[in-house]
Amino acid sequence: KAGVTQTPRYLIKTRGQQVTLSCSPISGHRSVSWYQQTPGQGLQFLFEYFSETQRNKGNFPGRFSGRQFSNSRSEMNVSTLELGDSALYLCASSLAAALGTDTQYFGPGTRLTVL
Amino acid sequence: AQKITQTQPGMFVQEKEAVTLDCTYDTSDQSYGLFWYKQPSSGEMIFLIYQGSYDEQNATEGRYSLNFQKARKSANLVISASQLGDSAMYFCAMITGANNLFFGTGTRLTVIP
Repeated sequence: KAGVTQTPRYLIKTRGQQVTLSCSPISGHRSVSWYQQTPGQGLQFLFEYFSETQRNKGNFPGRFSGRQFSNSRSEMNVSTLELGDSALYLCASSLAAALGTDTQYFGPGTRLTVL
Repeated sequence: AQKITQTQPGMFVQEKEAVTLDCTYDTSDQSYGLFWYKQPSSGEMIFLIYQGSYDEQNATEGRYSLNFQKARKSANLVISASQLGDSAMYFCAMITGANNLFFGTGTRLTVIP
């Protein structure tokens, strides 16, 4: 079974631009979560989508948004990029069979650099 | 609020020896899950092992075992027979009622030949 895939793997943008990252979950997984990893803040939860609905959201500004499609693929968008948005963005998928117990499997990440 | 604490920024271990990575957690939830992930320099988070809060036995997965002490709120990872390929960052994480993971700050493990 194929793992979680994320595209692109690397991105370079300039301040003020917007960016869209894509995530394809493991086949059969209905939940997709996004995390941001930076040296200063560590790993932080952005949001989770389940059956095309945002089910949970972390403490990030509205510039960060996402969506999920009917095939469970998910996209994350960041508008008006800031230097502090430079990070590794990780996507994870899970069966979401039971909240609070599900193992999340991660993709390779997208490394975003904002200049 | 949920919190994960990893107090060892870095650890060294001799090849073929065992090593324990520490993790303590804090939550008021009765039902929760504890995970360990490995992150090599490539960046991908690799799932290693899971322990549910109601599991009475410690979880094991090959060379990985989780030393779960509920009363102390600790969930230490034990890696037996360390290999050079075990050199990486290791993260302890917790999941509760909402389906999002809370991560610790990680421990960088270096295996010495």
